[in-house]
Amino acid sequence: ELKVEQNPLFLSMQEGKNYTIYCNYSTTSDRLYWYRQDPGKSLESLFVLLSNGAVKQEGRLMASLDTKARLSTLHITAAVHDLSATYFCAVDSNTGNQFYFGTGTSLTVIP
Amino acid sequence: GAGVSQTPSNKVTEKGKYVELRCDPISGHTALYWYRQSLGQGPEFLIYFQGTGAADDSGLPNDRFFAVRPEGSVSTLKIQRTERGDSAVYLCASSRGRTGELFFGEGSRLTVL
Repeated sequence: ELKVEQNPLFLSMQEGKNYTIYCNYSTTSDRLYWYRQDPGKSLESLFVLLSNGAVKQEGRLMASLDTKARLSTLHITAAVHDLSATYFCAVDSNTGNQFYFGTGTSLTVIP
Repeated sequence: GAGVSQTPSNKVTEKGKYVELRCDPISGHTALYWYRQSLGQGPEFLIYFQGTGAADDSGLPNDRFFAVRPEGSVSTLKIQRTERGDSAVYLCASSRGRTGELFFGEGSRLTVL
């Protein structure tokens, strides 16, 4: 079974600071996704990374994928309170039938 | 509707009862997934439909769980003889194709007393 690990699990950061969330996965996959979940809400798609070296940016968030290292990063630039949420990465199984999710990174941005 | 719709949003039931959870995917999305999310955890795969057929049901925890999608659109997740350990948020997601991003519904929160 494909395993997906995120770190850190919990992150408290000050507004204006930068930080990176890491997502490692255990077997070959060329497709990785990042989702955001607010408390009591469902998951919202943030980024779709479909090849080695893919980089996507939206506002203060930037995601990248290194399929050789089986690693994706979600970089936060100059954090603001509105970014407080739980962030999940998910990896597509080679069959495309399943998406394996990490345990999530709970981000709190404090003033 | 514009998004994935799930009903009920909340369901409280007693141990041993039967429960049905419904998912109405985004129109035109052929792929439909059911996931289960426990508190503080990531979503856990249950079952995947491509069209009407269950293409992968390997995530269903046991034979008390069953899901159907008879006309390739709406899907129902059925749980028999519910147990307290079944308490979780059941998420449905749909996708345009097998490798597309998932669009999630708001979930059905199941509480088994």
